[in-house]
Amino acid sequence: AQKITQTQPGMFVQEKEAVTLDCTYDTSDPSYGLFWYKQPSSGEMIFLIYQGSYDQQNATEGRYSLNFQKARKSANLVISASQLGDSAMYFCAMRDPGAQKLVFGQGTRLTINP
Amino acid sequence: DTAVSQTPKYLVTQMGNDKSIKCEQNLGHDTMYWYKQDSKKFLKIMFSYNNKELIINETVPNRFSPKSPDKAHLNLHINSLELGDSAVYFCASSLRDRQAEAFFGQGTRLTVV
Repeated sequence: AQKITQTQPGMFVQEKEAVTLDCTYDTSDPSYGLFWYKQPSSGEMIFLIYQGSYDQQNATEGRYSLNFQKARKSANLVISASQLGDSAMYFCAMRDPGAQKLVFGQGTRLTINP
Repeated sequence: DTAVSQTPKYLVTQMGNDKSIKCEQNLGHDTMYWYKQDSKKFLKIMFSYNNKELIINETVPNRFSPKSPDKAHLNLHINSLELGDSAVYFCASSLRDRQAEAFFGQGTRLTVV
């Protein structure tokens, strides 16, 4: 069975600093997709970034990048130059082999301090 | 131009009542989902439909019955509501592809009193 682990329940970062949110995963399937979502206090789930298991390069989307280390089964989210609006819950997720669902980690609550 | 729209956003109801949450997507996706987010923010799949057919039912009580009249709609009906059903329910849609991200609705906060 697939499993996603986010070991940081909460993180506090100073504005403009870079922040890394940890995510490790466990799967026996060689083909998989990894996703990060942001959930602000308003409650919606916002897709941020995707990494495929066969992708040669780390995914980047604006200030978001994914530090993908396949051998270590980690897919950490890096946010550069953090902003107050980055304060939110962040979820790492993996799509199951049958592409039938996303399996989510427990989430990390990120707080950006001015 | 809302991609995944679910209504209502808030739902407060008494124990024992029956309620429905509606979901519609205009993205042309073939797969739709219902997720439940508990008080600890954990997201868990409830149901998954592909082309109107049920493909996942994750040990959800029979009181929960999804209905998909077409590929663009997946409604959730809940009978005999219980206090423990209080949660945020998210509808989502995607293509059935390992690389496809899921797009979520804004969530429905259900409170059973």
